[in-house]
Amino acid sequence: EAGVVQSPRYKIIEKKQPVAFWCNPISGHNTLYWYRQNLGQGPELLIRYENEEAVDDSQLPKDRFSAERLKGVDSTLKIQPAELGDSAVYLCASSLGNMNTEAFFGQGTRLTVV
Amino acid sequence: RKEVEQDPGPFNVPEGATVAFNCTYSNSASQSFFWYRQDCRKEPKLLMSVYSSGNEDGRFTAQLNRASQYISLLIRDSKLSDSATYLCVVNTNAGKSTFGDGTTLTVKP
Repeated sequence: EAGVVQSPRYKIIEKKQPVAFWCNPISGHNTLYWYRQNLGQGPELLIRYENEEAVDDSQLPKDRFSAERLKGVDSTLKIQPAELGDSAVYLCASSLGNMNTEAFFGQGTRLTVV
Repeated sequence: RKEVEQDPGPFNVPEGATVAFNCTYSNSASQSFFWYRQDCRKEPKLLMSVYSSGNEDGRFTAQLNRASQYISLLIRDSKLSDSATYLCVVNTNAGKSTFGDGTTLTVKP
């Protein structure tokens, strides 16, 4: 069974440019998460979807970040414009949705803003 | 204060040693608990869930203390391959999932 697929794996952009990340969750997983992980820290939740509904976006910097999950499957996360401080690994994860089930992570997108 | 706190380490232990990590959480509405393992430049992967009665999986034992709001992970007979960062994860019944910043373990020959 395919795991969570993310692309691209790496991205280098200049500040003020836009960038987008894509995630394809495990088939049948209703819950999708976007996390940001800085070096030496744990993943920090940006947004959580239940199917196509964003049920927790309290940590998403809405002035520059946006996300969508059309049809409740694939998801994209966008940053516009990017800032130097946005350099991090952006992780997508999915789960069956029950709080007691594990989340499966993609390999992440390593973003460098220069 | 962070909602989930871990001792960052690093823990440097010889092969065969027993090592324990603790994780404290502040949200009393927390309902489910996990330990994830993250290798360098890789994604986190589930190591084990933590049950109220405690649970064991081979050399790994997880414990939950709801009264004191902490969970622990014990690794016996450490192997070189156990070297990684161990992340504590706490979920509330509203589905909120919070990670600690991880504890780094290095097992040396």
